[in-house]
Amino acid sequence: AQSVTQPDIHITVSEGASLELRCNYSYGATPYLFWYVQSPGQGLQLLLKYFSGDTLVQGIKGFEAEFKRSQSSFNLRKPSVHWSDAAEYFCAVGAAAGNKLTFGGGTRVLVKP
Amino acid sequence: DADVTQTPRNRITKTGKRIMLECSQTKGHDRMYWYRQDPGLGLQLIYYSFDVKDINKGEISDGYSVSRQAQAKFSLSLESAIPNQTALYFCATSGGGGYNEQFFGPGTRLTVL
Repeated sequence: AQSVTQPDIHITVSEGASLELRCNYSYGATPYLFWYVQSPGQGLQLLLKYFSGDTLVQGIKGFEAEFKRSQSSFNLRKPSVHWSDAAEYFCAVGAAAGNKLTFGGGTRVLVKP
Repeated sequence: DADVTQTPRNRITKTGKRIMLECSQTKGHDRMYWYRQDPGLGLQLIYYSFDVKDINKGEISDGYSVSRQAQAKFSLSLESAIPNQTALYFCATSGGGGYNEQFFGPGTRLTVL
């Protein structure tokens, strides 16, 4: 069965500093990997996705993620955070059969001025 | 207008009551999903439907039922609500044919007293 672990429940970062959110997955085949962001009171918005090809994926809002098969990781990064990046971030792995997503527990990001 | 809408957005009910949460989409997608979100657990799949005649249980379907009234409508029912069903519920849609991004509604916050 597939699973996703986000080791950090909360992260606090200063505005303008860099951000890295960790994601480790378990899946028996080539994974489909996603990062979603949930702003307060909102639904989930897709930041980026990895299906195949280049292991460094660019997304919206200045985010990028790197797929490392050897480490079963798909970490999300942003070079310089903005106050509007304060939100909860979810990593997810997709199973091709059934188009189902398995989510990690989420990482809540707080941005200090 | 939002592509995926959920009604109601907030609901407080009592133990034992029957509750229906509704989801509508204008994206023309065949596939629809219901998830619940609990703090620290991410999103867990309750039910999913690939078309009007194809409904499948997800990870946590006990205590829930669904109805796919049309391609655009997918309802989730709690036949006899209990307090541990207090959660945030999300509907999502995706296109068919291979793996596709899921698009989420804004969520319904349900409280069972």
